[in-house]
Amino acid sequence: QVQLQESGPGLVKPSETLSLTCTVSGDSISSYYWSWIRQPPGKGLEWIGHIYYSGSTNYNPSLKSRVTISTDTSRNQFSLKLNSVTDADTAVYHCARLRGPYCSGGSCYSHWYFDLWGRGTLVTVSS
Amino acid sequence: EIVLTQSPGTLSLSPGERATLSCRASQSVSSSYLAWYQQKPGQAPRLLIYGASSRATGIPDRFSGSGSGTDFTLTINRLEPEDFAVYYCQQYGSSQFTFGPGTKVDIK
Repeated sequence: QVQLQESGPGLVKPSETLSLTCTVSGDSISSYYWSWIRQPPGKGLEWIGHIYYSGSTNYNPSLKSRVTISTDTSRNQFSLKLNSVTDADTAVYHCARLRGPYCSGGSCYSHWYFDLWGRGTLVTVSS
Repeated sequence: EIVLTQSPGTLSLSPGERATLSCRASQSVSSSYLAWYQQKPGQAPRLLIYGASSRATGIPDRFSGSGSGTDFTLTINRLEPEDFAVYYCQQYGSSQFTFGPGTKVDIK
């Protein structure tokens, strides 16, 4: 059974860097895409960005200047760094597995969806 | 950026009733790139539907998705007590993912 678990500081000071790690168990990150999604308290979901195991990334344009997502295949982890945080970055941060286009059994499928999620970790930005 | 609008904001129904949730996009979305999720308090979202109408693994057949272009629908037949939750639609387009604001299905 594949599981994702977020970890990292729950409190970050304004203007500092938020750093989170997602540990994947039950599957290798050397396949699929891996993503970060956040949810401010009581609000909806916002895609932050994703990374392919090869290292290629795609970020939300609204956050692109502040975000870095990377992988550590030796530890089967991927990470998020968000710099220059403000209180608007206070949210529950989820890591998720992203299914992109694939071919199987002679057929190819073009879909994009998040099929597995971590429970999320609350990060509060406050001095 | 494609903006998704969900309606109604809240749907109050009784167990056994049918729920019909709407997701409208600000411009046309490929059906292949439209998904629905269920989220309960304190839990991670759970994938229900992908490709607008394909049920994810383990999702009961009372959940169904339909639609194309800018209008998509999630239908839940015969609501079970565990179905009362918030539902989000999600799309992929122009190399970006966006989610709708959610529809809360609560017990009447």
